[in-house]
Order: sequence, then structure tokens, then C-alpha cells
Amino acid sequence: DTEVTQTPKHLVMGMTNKKSLKCEQHMGHRAMYWYKQKAKKPPELMFVYSYEKLSINESVPSRFSPECPNSSLLNLHLHALQPEDSALYLCASSQDWPQANSPLHFGNGTRLTVT
Amino acid sequence: AQSVTQLGSHVSVSEGALVLLRCNYSSSVPPYLFWYVQYPNQGLQLLLKYTTGATLVKGINGFEAEFKKSETSFHLTKPSAHMSDAAEYFCAVSEAQGGSEKLVFGKGTKLTVNP
Repeated sequence: DTEVTQTPKHLVMGMTNKKSLKCEQHMGHRAMYWYKQKAKKPPELMFVYSYEKLSINESVPSRFSPECPNSSLLNLHLHALQPEDSALYLCASSQDWPQANSPLHFGNGTRLTVT
Repeated sequence: AQSVTQLGSHVSVSEGALVLLRCNYSSSVPPYLFWYVQYPNQGLQLLLKYTTGATLVKGINGFEAEFKKSETSFHLTKPSAHMSDAAEYFCAVSEAQGGSEKLVFGKGTKLTVNP
């Protein structure tokens, strides 16, 4: 069982919809991440939050809006997405950031389909 | 900047045979190295990591990897493959970048285990 919980597991949305992905961890980790993974590809980093502050934004389009309400929760708000945004969205956490030797703990992801 | 090369996008072995998944890295400073496994429709799970100290690292599910600085390699092995080992495996490297550490993934190797 994963210690990082993501909801929903699956999401289908139209290009005009607004939806949110949610992530929760209770390991006391201070860093949380959003990754995007296309089929047969490695995960691509989108955002990093450290101590609830946005530390890295990998030039992600503004139709993706992250939010970290507290150290245990991470949201990703979606608006006006494109079909090419369909992917597996993975949340992860780590003890600290930056800390190069701190491994990531991943959730099982949200499978997003944009129609 | 660091990079990771995984040799072989697909590896197929028979049940009970040796598993060898190859990973070479490039890093300007001593790296931290990780192997992650991804089962279908799941997130990534840490198999093992090398930070400092012993160069032979043992992980979960009977896997191990050896850090060889002279060869810039971190190959993953398991003496005897099980059907349950069928999954995608990602090698990753991390290094300090002036306080902006990022984990860089290889492209992944899909392991198939034949009965």
C-alpha cells in the first residue's frame, strides 16, 4: 500500500471543464511534487513544494495551477486543458528539499483523459 | 548537469534466470543513484538507493545494484527472476545543483518474465 494517496484514480474531463487532483501524505514529509507521465515514458517534473512554498515550476502552462494548503496536502487545479494533457499525474513526497539523497515516495497517480 | 542512460528499453528473461538491467550515469559531482519500479497502473516504488558508503546496495524483492565509479554504472541485478518482477524499471540520478536538486530519470526498461 502506498503512503501517498491520490484522488481520483481516473478522471475524464472536457476542454472547458475545471477539475482538481488531490494528494495527501501523512509521513511528515516537507516536500511534495507533481509529475506528469505519458505512456512508455519516465515521469516529468512539473512542480516542487517545500515547506508549503512553491520552489520549482518547470515552465508548466498556466492551465495547471498547483496549491499546497498545508504540509500534508497538495492539489493540482486544472482548467481549459488540451487533449495532449492526457496522462498519468503522479504526486510524490520526500523528507526534505533540496536534499539530493532523499528518495521520493509516489502515489498511484490519477489517470487523466481530456476529451 | 547529470544524465542517465538505460541500455535496452526491453529486456526479456525466463523465470528463474538472472535479471540484469543496465544503467550508466553522467554527473559532475558524486551522484546519488536510485532504482524505481513501476507496476502497471501504479506509481513508482523505490527499489534501492546509493548515497555513500558500501557500493553494493541491497534493495527490496531480492534486487541489488553495484555502484562502479570507474565505469559510471549502477546496474540492477536479481539472481532469479519471478513472474511478479514483470514491470517497468527506472534508474535515476540526483546531485546537488546549488540548492536546486532534481531527480533525473532514465527512459526506463520494461522487464518481461517468461514462464
